Amino acid sequence: QKEVEQDPGPLSVPEGAIVSLNCTYSNSAFQYFMWYRQYSRKGPELLMYTYSSGNKEDGRFTAQVDKSSKYISLFIRDSQPSDSATYLCAMSGGGSTLGRLYFGRGTQLTVWP
Amino acid sequence: EAGVTQSPTHLIKTRGQQATLRCSPISGHTSVYWYQQALGLGLQFLLWYDEGEERNRGNFPPRFSGRQFPNYSSELNVNALELEDSALYLCASSLGQGAREKLFFGSGTQLSVL
Repeated sequence: QKEVEQDPGPLSVPEGAIVSLNCTYSNSAFQYFMWYRQYSRKGPELLMYTYSSGNKEDGRFTAQVDKSSKYISLFIRDSQPSDSATYLCAMSGGGSTLGRLYFGRGTQLTVWP
Repeated sequence: EAGVTQSPTHLIKTRGQQATLRCSPISGHTSVYWYQQALGLGLQFLLWYDEGEERNRGNFPPRFSGRQFPNYSSELNVNALELEDSALYLCASSLGQGAREKLFFGSGTQLSVL
């Protein structure tokens, strides 16, 4: 079983839609959870960063972490064509995994006008 | 403030050759990380350097190696290149070490092995 599972999509939605992206994971030692956005031929850009369980909101973006279910989500409200990108979940913990991020494979999102 | 910079942008090599990729972290960042992003496989952790020392290593063969210089810049070397080494190689940096660190990525070096 892969450490982090993420549906690769692709996901195609109209402008203004609410987008829901999800990841599941297997390692209960993960404590830090991130979402990165990657545009074509660019490096990943940190979008959201969350510690442990709970919600975090930043503008149109909301990140949720449910450690009991080993499930994280990213919601995008009022989606825009400029949100079209690949979204990667990532997570980290301590011990032997220190310094290492575990990534999902990414979900490709297209928002059409 | 400049972000993480990587060079070259593109690199074409033939099988069996060696490749050297370079990375300059964000000013003030002491940790540098290397990831491989092969088509369909997602980002795979390669190496982590902090204060000039290798701190952790992913599941890659020893022909993947690197170093970090006193100015915190870093080099990734790939020896005896194989076709499956073709990928985007991403460098990231962070302020320090620890699980809580936020990583900031460069735009990557696209390595093609023919």
